[in-house]
Amino acid sequence: GESVGLHLPTLSVQEGDNSIINCAYSNSASDYFIWYKQESGKGPQFIIDIRSNMDKRQGQRVTVLLNKTVKHLSLQIAATQPGDSAVYFCAENQYGGKLIFGQGTELSVKP
Amino acid sequence: DTEVTQTPKHLVMGMTNKKSLKCEQHMGHRAMYWYKQKAKKPPELMFVYSYEKLSINESVPSRFSPECPNSSLLNLHLHALQPEDSALYLCASSQDLNGQGVDEQYFGPGTRLTVT
Repeated sequence: GESVGLHLPTLSVQEGDNSIINCAYSNSASDYFIWYKQESGKGPQFIIDIRSNMDKRQGQRVTVLLNKTVKHLSLQIAATQPGDSAVYFCAENQYGGKLIFGQGTELSVKP
Repeated sequence: DTEVTQTPKHLVMGMTNKKSLKCEQHMGHRAMYWYKQKAKKPPELMFVYSYEKLSINESVPSRFSPECPNSSLLNLHLHALQPEDSALYLCASSQDLNGQGVDEQYFGPGTRLTVT
C-alpha cells in the first residue's frame, strides 16, 4: 500500500545545533517528494523538494537527502533557530496533484 | 502576489446551517485543492480542480460540495455537517503547467471550522 511516515513524532534540539528529520515511504514508484513546515495557526509552507533522479538537494540552511534503496528521505536543518520551531511534514506528490502527507514531526528549539 | 487567501478565518455553524468557504489566488495557477486537517494530524486531500474541472474527489461525503467558478476562485459549500467535521480546512493552488499536478502546492492559512 501507499504510505509516507515519519520515524519520530517530536524532536527537541538546542539553538545552533543541526536538526535531522526522517521520513520513510513505501511506494518504490514514488518520484517527487516535498518537505513542508507548518507553524501554529498557519497553512503548510513549502521548504524544499526533491525528485527521484536526485539523491541530494540543498537550499538555504536546509538539505534533503533521498535514499531510494531503502525508501527513506531526510530533512537536515543547519544551525537551528527558534523560528524553526514548527511541525515538519514530508509529502509525496503523486500524479494528478494528490499530495500524501506523513504524520509530521514537531520540532522544538531550546534557546 | 504569491498568496492564497481564505475566508473566513473562523466559522462556527450548526448542523442545520448552510455556509461556504472561499479561497482565492492570483498567481495564475490552474490547479486548486481542498484539504481537511484535524488537530495534530497531517492534511488530507479532499478535492482537486485542474483547469476548473473536478479531477479528484477523495470519496468526500456529499455534505461537502466544491465549486470552481473560475481559475482564481475555489469554494467549498457546506450543508448538514456533523460535529466530527470540525477541522481546519486548507486551500492550496499549483501551476499545473502540464495538467499532471506534479508541482509545488501553495497553501492558504485555512479556515477553522467548528460544527455545533
